[in-house]
Amino acid sequence: NAGVTQTPKFRILKIGQSMTLQCTQDMNHNYMYWYRQDPGMGLKLIYYSVGAGITDKGEVPNGYNVSRSTTEDFPLRLELAAPSQTSVYFCASREDRLNTEAFFGQGTRLTVV
Amino acid sequence: AQTVTQSQPEMSVQEAETVTLSCTYDTSESDYYLFWYKQPPSRQMILVIRQEAYKQQNATENRFSVNFQKAAKSFSLKISDSQLGDAAMYFCAYRVVGSQGNLIFGKGTKLSVKP
Repeated sequence: NAGVTQTPKFRILKIGQSMTLQCTQDMNHNYMYWYRQDPGMGLKLIYYSVGAGITDKGEVPNGYNVSRSTTEDFPLRLELAAPSQTSVYFCASREDRLNTEAFFGQGTRLTVV
Repeated sequence: AQTVTQSQPEMSVQEAETVTLSCTYDTSESDYYLFWYKQPPSRQMILVIRQEAYKQQNATENRFSVNFQKAAKSFSLKISDSQLGDAAMYFCAYRVVGSQGNLIFGKGTKLSVKP
């Protein structure tokens, strides 16, 4: 069982560069999420999706974009990277039934210099 | 606004002893779930235990149990017979039933286990 797979695991970006964080899940989950975790903080929601073709903003969406063309994939795009985007990024997925747990990827540590 | 507060940035416990991690939350919702996640140095988020708000009985998973006080909006985690492998960051999280299902996290408690 692969579960939720994120790539890359680590990345260093220069200010102003762009990149896409990949997330794919093989559990046929409709709900998918992107969170960021800053040092000493809990995870905060960036974007989420309730199904293919449907995305919406979370608590901290500025500087990011997402797309959901398939059930499996939910990439997160960073445009014009800034030092404030240095963080650990987690992708998660969940079944769209009431009492189900979220499954997390292993995270991507991103440093913007 | 829904918030989750963990007032203990760091805790320490002796191996084989018991430790309790605190969590309080603020919500106007009546139906929700509460979770404790463990994050070891590998960064992986691991679900430890969950509690449905409509259930009065406290959840238990082996050495892990919770004390859920709905009126006080308190959700503490008790770890019994602590093991070296329990050392990690622990996050309390909340989710409203019927919403888009995202989790709201506290800032975490770093647990150290002394041999």
